[in-house]
Amino acid sequence: QKEVEQNSGPLSVPEGAIASLNCTYSDRGSQSFFWYRQYSGKSPELIMFIYSNGDKEDGRFTAQLNKASQYVSLLIRDSQPSDSATYLCAVTATTDSWGKLQFGAGTQVVVTP
Amino acid sequence: GAGVSQSPSNKVTEKGKDVELRCDPISGHTALYWYRQSLGQGLEFLIYFQGNSAPDKSGLPSDRFSAERTGGSVSTLTIQRTQQEDSAVYLCASSSRSLVDTQYFGPGTRLTVL
Repeated sequence: QKEVEQNSGPLSVPEGAIASLNCTYSDRGSQSFFWYRQYSGKSPELIMFIYSNGDKEDGRFTAQLNKASQYVSLLIRDSQPSDSATYLCAVTATTDSWGKLQFGAGTQVVVTP
Repeated sequence: GAGVSQSPSNKVTEKGKDVELRCDPISGHTALYWYRQSLGQGLEFLIYFQGNSAPDKSGLPSDRFSAERTGGSVSTLTIQRTQQEDSAVYLCASSSRSLVDTQYFGPGTRLTVL
């Protein structure tokens, strides 16, 4: 069983719409949660992190965390063609806030003009 | 400011040869991580260094893989007797171990084993 699960996609989103990405994780001890964006052939770049239940907003991005349901999501508002990429969910693999990350396989997002 | 740098960017080798991959973390970052990403896959943790502590080697797939970090800065990942299944992009990340361990990735080294 994969420890961090994401829908592989592709998730097709019209330009200007909201993209909703989901991620579930198996380790209840995980403390910190990250969303990375990865363009084809490039390395992952950090979009945002969250460690408290609830919502966290940063520009057009909103991360949502529900530790009871072991669920974290990312919303991308006003999606742009430049948002077309693979989005990786990552979870700390230990019970503190630091250390190695466990990654999901990623969700491919395609924003269509 | 300078980010994480890795060299070489691409490496093609023959099966059975040894390779060394280098990572230069962001200045002042005390934690350094190695991951690898096979084609179309997510990232797989390999090894983690934090300051002077013993490294976490729990992700190394076999004893052909080793890594060291000299002077708390530059790290080298060595793969001995390379196999075709070692072909992947090897990514290095560093972090400052602040409140949350936000890891910043280098551009990666694409390793191809023929």
